[in-house]
Amino acid sequence: AQSVTQLGSHVSVSEGALVLLRCNYSSSVPPYLFWYVQYPNQGLQLLLKYTSAATLVKGINGFEAEFKKSETSFHLTKPSAHMSDAAEYFCAVSEGSGNQFYFGTGTSLTVIP
Amino acid sequence: GAVVSQHPSRVICKSGTSVKIECRSLDFQATTMFWYRQFPKQSLMLMATSNEGSKATYEQGVEKDKFLINHASLTLSTLTVTSAHPEDSSFYICSARRPDQPQHFGDGTRLSIL
Repeated sequence: AQSVTQLGSHVSVSEGALVLLRCNYSSSVPPYLFWYVQYPNQGLQLLLKYTSAATLVKGINGFEAEFKKSETSFHLTKPSAHMSDAAEYFCAVSEGSGNQFYFGTGTSLTVIP
Repeated sequence: GAVVSQHPSRVICKSGTSVKIECRSLDFQATTMFWYRQFPKQSLMLMATSNEGSKATYEQGVEKDKFLINHASLTLSTLTVTSAHPEDSSFYICSARRPDQPQHFGDGTRLSIL
């Protein structure tokens, strides 16, 4: 069975500050892990994905995430928040890149000017 | 990159009517399409998995006679909400994928039943 836990349903940061969104997973097999961003009334846009290659994954818009097997974590970070980063972020896990996804409950990011 | 088009983006209709939502993969052949439902401020909940040319597989608790899914071609899947009621109001999102490739999501359909 696979599941994802996103700690913190709401995160607020100041513009220019570090963004850290937490994701922990549970999987009985080596996982594939994803971060998606959703803007209001829109679908999901892939930020980055981990597929058993490099543990530090770089994505779009300056985001990156590090896969830590020992901690079963895949936290999303960005060194400097921008106003346009305000959105809903979802972490997801699957057994393979094309298989069923299990989404976390999401984290709403607010960027304060 | 892979593009998934979902139509309509928003629909408002009276209770008791049926509503069809289309999901198209514009530049790739999607062997599998997924339909999700998202309530306000919540995550995506998988409703069903649709493979081209075969019957959809529904998640537990999803009424297959209520939510009819057709995946007639490698580029089109449709979700029909039959006899819609206010409790069916939600944000519906589809995704499509090729084998061993990540899912690509449509922009969603906001369904409002009056």
